[in-house]
Amino acid sequence: GQQVMQIPQYQHVQEGEDFTTYCNSSTTLSNIQWYKQRPGGHPVFLIQLVKSGEVKKQKRLTFQFGEAKKNSSLHITATQTTDVGTYFCAGSRNTNAGKSTFGDGTTLTVKP
Amino acid sequence: NAGVMQNPRHLVRRRGQEARLRCSPMKGHSHVYWYRQLPEEGLKFMVYLQKENIIDESGMPKERFSAEFPKEGPSILRIQQVVRGDSAAYFCASSPPSVGAAYGYTFGSGTRLTVV
Repeated sequence: GQQVMQIPQYQHVQEGEDFTTYCNSSTTLSNIQWYKQRPGGHPVFLIQLVKSGEVKKQKRLTFQFGEAKKNSSLHITATQTTDVGTYFCAGSRNTNAGKSTFGDGTTLTVKP
Repeated sequence: NAGVMQNPRHLVRRRGQEARLRCSPMKGHSHVYWYRQLPEEGLKFMVYLQKENIIDESGMPKERFSAEFPKEGPSILRIQQVVRGDSAAYFCASSPPSVGAAYGYTFGSGTRLTVV
């Protein structure tokens, strides 16, 4: 079945440093989504990427979708303490609504 | 516009009892997904439903687990004869109907099930 892998599992940074998490799928994806889950909370949708090579930005967050649509990355510039949480990617092979396969997440801690 | 509503937030069951988890999707959303999350782990897909239909239950254990999304009322995830290994957070998500485009999920706050 489809597998989605994320690295690293944990990342500890000093406030102000950059952070990147990487996501790789065993199969070509139709789209990839990114979510953030705060400790004790629920996943919150951040963004969806659909096109090969697509790059999207949200303030300090930059999301990329690989040319082959099998990998993606999330980069945070100048981390803040409010960025702490677990970041999940989720890949789908469906063009329409359907299940997504989640990676195991990267847990980010930020030291002030 | 209320988000995805899940109840109860916390549920404690003794081994062998039944657990019933409820999920009301966002208004206008007709697709419901259930995911399970063990501590310090990712979200594992269980089942995908539309009204009165199970579309994909490939992640659902074959025994003791069932799900429904009736014409009226919330989606229900039912776990019979619970065991300690069923202790986890169960998240429900919903998405709008779509043709030609998938949308991100809106998650509920989850039900934390503890089996004692």
